Amino acid sequence: TQLLEQSPQFLSIQEGENLTVYCNSSSVFSSLQWYRQEPGEGPVLLVTVVTGGEVKKLKRLTFQFGDARKDSSLHITAAQPGDTGLYLCAGAFYYNQGGKLIFGQGTELSVKP
Amino acid sequence: DAMVIQNPRYQVTQFGKPVTLSCSQTLNHNVMYWYQQKSSQAPKLLFHYYDKDFNNEADTPDNFQSRRPNTSFCFLDIRSPGLGDAAMYLCATLAGTSGAEEQFFGPGTRLTVL
Repeated sequence: TQLLEQSPQFLSIQEGENLTVYCNSSSVFSSLQWYRQEPGEGPVLLVTVVTGGEVKKLKRLTFQFGDARKDSSLHITAAQPGDTGLYLCAGAFYYNQGGKLIFGQGTELSVKP
Repeated sequence: DAMVIQNPRYQVTQFGKPVTLSCSQTLNHNVMYWYQQKSSQAPKLLFHYYDKDFNNEADTPDNFQSRRPNTSFCFLDIRSPGLGDAAMYLCATLAGTSGAEEQFFGPGTRLTVL
């Protein structure tokens, strides 16, 4: 069974603080994806990382894929209230029948003004 | 511009009364997925279709069935909803089999069971 451990599950911080969310697994993924989900909506893809050691930046968000493609992190600099939401990491296993995403447990982020 | 459409957005049903949730896509993707998501939890994959080939997850209850009459549409049937089936149901699509391709999610249907 492939598992993806995401931490922390809940994070409440003040505006302007930095934070890091981690995803770890014993499995190797073909890619790892980060999603953000707002209440009552579906997840929206933020980034896909494919290559071991890859780092991608999206404004104040920095995503890193571990060298062995088993773990990833999301770092937010100077968090804003608009960053509040559920952040999900998902490891991708794709094969000739379409494959699947294995989701982490999610991180519920609350940024207070 | 909507790519993955789910109807209705909110569905209320009674305990034991069959209900069908609908998903359609304008992306012409050959893979479609159904997920169940409970409050503040990660989505849980129920099953997926690769074209017309149905792939069920081992722990998906028999109470959940699916139909895909054509490329654009996929339905989730809950034969006898229980209180524990109240959740957000998400549909997603995938273009191909490369690990770098993203799944596109619909906005979800929030199911309430009375």
